[in-house]
Amino acid sequence: QKEVEQDPGPLSVPEGAIVSLNCTYSNSAFQYFMWYRQYSRKGPELLMYTYSSGNKEDGRFTAQVDKSSKYISLFIRDSQPSDSATYLCAIVTSGTYKYIFGTGTRLKVLA
Amino acid sequence: GAVVSQHPSRVICKSGTSVKIECRSLDFQATTMFWYRQFPKQSLMLMATSNEGSKATYEQGVEKDKFLINHASLTLSTLTVTSAHPEDSSFYICSARDSAGYTFGSGTRLTVV
Repeated sequence: QKEVEQDPGPLSVPEGAIVSLNCTYSNSAFQYFMWYRQYSRKGPELLMYTYSSGNKEDGRFTAQVDKSSKYISLFIRDSQPSDSATYLCAIVTSGTYKYIFGTGTRLKVLA
Repeated sequence: GAVVSQHPSRVICKSGTSVKIECRSLDFQATTMFWYRQFPKQSLMLMATSNEGSKATYEQGVEKDKFLINHASLTLSTLTVTSAHPEDSSFYICSARDSAGYTFGSGTRLTVV
């Protein structure tokens, strides 16, 4: 079993739709949870990070963590064509600097 | 915010030659930098952790003699792919730890022909 599993996509949605991106993880020692956005041929850029169960909002983005289920989600409201990218979840264990990335979900928002 | 500059963005080299990729932290010092490799439609895989003034720590399966890492200053880490082969063609990305977390470079697309 992979340490981090991410829905593979690709995912195509109409402009304005609510998008849900998800990852599951297997190690309960994981403590920090991040979502990165990666445009084609570019490095990942951090969207959001959280370390506790619950929701965290930032504009149109909401990160959700459920530690009991080992499940994390990123919701995008009012999706825009500019949101079209690959979204990667990343998880870090406290005390280490090692990120474990999901495989990424490619999102395409259609105008 | 913190910026990590990575150069070159794209390089094509002949098989058997060496290629150097630079990763610079701008406006902040990074005692630790990380090098990742990303194959098409796959996730980022950590290759090594670069520590300023000491030897890099390589992940299992990564050849340290092939992927030479030098972190000679607090703002610069370099990755040299030695005796490159076509199977080394990939997207290489560095990241550095800043006060807010980790910032990634824009990546280097290496193509070995």
